[in-house]
Amino acid sequence: KNQVEQSPQSLIILEGKNCTLQCNYTVSPFSNLRWYKQDTGRGPVSLTIMTFSENTKSNGRYTATLDADTKQSSLHITASQLSDSASYICVVSEQAGTALIFGKGTTLSVSS
Amino acid sequence: GAGVSQSPSNKVTEKGKDVELRCDPISGHTALYWYRQSLGQGLEFLIYFQGNSAPDKSGLPSDRFSAERTGGSVSTLTIQRTQQEDSAVYLCASSPRGHSNTGELFFGEGSRLTVL
Repeated sequence: KNQVEQSPQSLIILEGKNCTLQCNYTVSPFSNLRWYKQDTGRGPVSLTIMTFSENTKSNGRYTATLDADTKQSSLHITASQLSDSASYICVVSEQAGTALIFGKGTTLSVSS
Repeated sequence: GAGVSQSPSNKVTEKGKDVELRCDPISGHTALYWYRQSLGQGLEFLIYFQGNSAPDKSGLPSDRFSAERTGGSVSTLTIQRTQQEDSAVYLCASSPRGHSNTGELFFGEGSRLTVL
């Protein structure tokens, strides 16, 4: 069964610190992997999209990495800000399919 | 508008009533998705429209759920005879070319449904 597992489930860090969120998946073959940020009460917003041939992609203070061999991805947040407090969702797209497999997300809380 | 618009933003209904949720996608986007997000859960796929192709309804949880997309634009998700377990946030997303080609998904703010 195609699955996307994220860890940790929740995380609390101090403003200014870095953090890394993990995503492991079993979807195979896959087309692309995405990271979304979802603020409370809002819809998800895309951070990065990576195909299987891409190892890393950055979007400002957000850097996503992908290891297609081990089926692992990470999202690194640098110099965290209070506005980074949100749920971060990993999503994997099946190759040539119609399915997007969503992880349950990691809830990040940044405190001052 | 510039983004995906959903209405109503909040809906409270009584068990057994029918509800309709509306989604206005970004103009020109051929793909439209409906998802359901329950508290503490990941997004659950419901239905996918792509252009003039037959929709992928494989995610609809029961025959009480249906969706239409008229004229390739606006979509309505209908839930008949609502049950308490239908309470969730219903999210709509649109994409210029569909996700299997790395098409970006743009989400609306969601419709929060509460069934009493």
